[in-house]
Amino acid sequence: SQELEQSPQSLIVQEGKNLTINCTSSKTLYGLYWYKQKYGEGLIFLMMLQKGGEEKSHEKITAKLDEKKQQSSLHITASQPSHAGIYLCGADSGTYKYIFGTGTRLKVLA
Amino acid sequence: DTGVSQDPRHKITKRGQNVTFRCDPISEHNRLYWYRQTLGQGPEFLTYFQNEAQLEKSRLLSDRFSAERPKGSFSTLEIQRTEQGDSAMYLCASSLMAGDEKLFFGSGTQLSVL
Repeated sequence: SQELEQSPQSLIVQEGKNLTINCTSSKTLYGLYWYKQKYGEGLIFLMMLQKGGEEKSHEKITAKLDEKKQQSSLHITASQPSHAGIYLCGADSGTYKYIFGTGTRLKVLA
Repeated sequence: DTGVSQDPRHKITKRGQNVTFRCDPISEHNRLYWYRQTLGQGPEFLTYFQNEAQLEKSRLLSDRFSAERPKGSFSTLEIQRTEQGDSAMYLCASSLMAGDEKLFFGSGTQLSVL
């Protein structure tokens, strides 16, 4: 079965610093989703990537899917306290059974 | 508010009791998903519906777990004879059959089994 591995598991950065979160799949990805979760809440959709080499940006967050479609990265530029939370990558493991990575817990120090 | 709604937000129960959670998806969404999330882990897929049909239930954790979506609108997840290991956040999500499969999540039901 397909698995998604995220790194790092947790991250503490000073406000204003850049950071990158990685997501690696055990199988070729046919759609990779990034979500953000605040502690004790549901997930909020950030971005979806489908094509190898695709890159999308929203505000200060950029996500990329590598050419081989087995790895994605999420990059935050000039981090702010509002970026704090849990970042999760997700993918369709087949027939709309969406799976998720274990998450990266981000803390931004003001 | 037209987002995904889950009820209750918190449930505390004693071991051995039955519990039922409700999920109201976004009204035009055909697909509805249930996930379980434990502390420090990502959401774990349990089951999903397309309209009223339950298309995947093999991931339900045991025969104590069951889910329904009787009229293709709201859904319920029932856990019978709860155990302490059932303590977790239960998340519901819905999506349109539109191809991009963006999931919209509810705020979850936090279950504590004493």
